[in-house]
Amino acid sequence: EPEVTQTPSHQVTQMGQEVILRCVPISNHLYFYWYRQILGQKVEFLVSFYNNEISEKSEIFDDQFSVERPDGSNFTLKIRSTKLEDSAMYFCASSDKGVGEYGYTFGSGTRLTVV
Amino acid sequence: SQQGEEDPQALSIQEGENATMNCSYKTSINNLQWYRQNSGRGLVHLILIRSNEREKHSGRLRVTLDTSKKSSSLLITASRAADTASYFCARRSNDYKLSFGAGTTVTVRA
Repeated sequence: EPEVTQTPSHQVTQMGQEVILRCVPISNHLYFYWYRQILGQKVEFLVSFYNNEISEKSEIFDDQFSVERPDGSNFTLKIRSTKLEDSAMYFCASSDKGVGEYGYTFGSGTRLTVV
Repeated sequence: SQQGEEDPQALSIQEGENATMNCSYKTSINNLQWYRQNSGRGLVHLILIRSNEREKHSGRLRVTLDTSKKSSSLLITASRAADTASYFCARRSNDYKLSFGAGTTVTVRA
């Protein structure tokens, strides 16, 4: 069964450093998403991406965050200057239909720890 | 909040018993989805029910949707130890995002 792959599985970074979280969505999917889950809290929407541009973003997704699809397979989330409160599990997801006809396929997540 | 809210927060049952959890939401939906998350792992899509559907089955899962009450329920029949996980409902409105609830943690005792 096709999978969404995320790397690394765990990243520790110093506060103020830049991090790039990587995702390989399912190959024939067209819609890509990032969500995060702070430990013990709800899964929160960050951003959706379609046709090489952001479709929607939440208030969490401020100027410190950016997304990119640098080639035909990868989808990245960059946090420019990490803060302690960015520590969370970050999930990438993809879907073949953007308007919710089907469920999303989520990756296993990257646990980001900012120290 | 537009997010789904599950109850109970936690549920402990004996293997073989049924587990029922509920989800409520506040605004109109396009569809409602249920996901499972094993500890420290990713989210696995279980089942999607559209706003014009009332009930849906998938294996041992049964989902109902009552749009007049803005609520949904997930029933897992004949539970197994492997069903131990957190279960989340996620509401999809007419935008691109899913809004998740806080989840129900289900423990199935052998």
